[in-house]
Amino acid sequence: SYELTQPPSVSVSPGQTASITCSGDKLGDKFVCWYQQKPGQSPVLVIYQDNRRPSGIPERFSGSNSANTATLTISGTQAMDEADYYCQAWDISINYVFGSGTRVTVL
Amino acid sequence: QVTLKESGPALVKPTQTLTLTCTFSGFSLSSTGVRVSWIRQPPGKALEWLARIDWDDDKFYSTSLKTRLTISKDTSKNQVVLTMTNMDPVDTATYYCARIGRSTSWFDYWGQGTLVTVSS
Repeated sequence: SYELTQPPSVSVSPGQTASITCSGDKLGDKFVCWYQQKPGQSPVLVIYQDNRRPSGIPERFSGSNSANTATLTISGTQAMDEADYYCQAWDISINYVFGSGTRVTVL
Repeated sequence: QVTLKESGPALVKPTQTLTLTCTFSGFSLSSTGVRVSWIRQPPGKALEWLARIDWDDDKFYSTSLKTRLTISKDTSKNQVVLTMTNMDPVDTATYYCARIGRSTSWFDYWGQGTLVTVSS
């Protein structure tokens, strides 16, 4: 079965840049999206189609996807960005697959 | 305004069948391209996709859970129903329904989730 691997945790200082990776076989051939989930809340879409932001998502969130790795970048990280982040990919052979999740801590 | 809300039992016994209902508003599941999925999340763990139903009644299931899942829709009631048979304690999770937009592969709107505990 297809797997997406993320680092369990990422720590970042306020105002700095956080990068979260998502690795999978030939992931660059698929569209990747990212969700933010705060404790006790439902996931919220923050990036879709590799690098597009839904309405209302701050510009500090950006994404990229190439080869076997997709990356979510949070520039100028704020305390409100502390959350779990999940990548997700789809194609006809794998259906919908979520990454293992990364906890972002703003120190 | 798109909203989805899950409902169902909070507690089920092992071997029982779970039935969950997703009631939504702000869109129609009879509109071309619209799809609704179920996703679950065990406490402290990652999200797991379960099933999807499309506007044209096409249905898709997680390979690992396919034999236990059935998804259906009632367009007139704006509801999607998921049944999962032979429940086990490892199925304890928050169950979410979510919409997939037209011609997209991401979940743009999520329900609040409902926690289902499997215990005797």
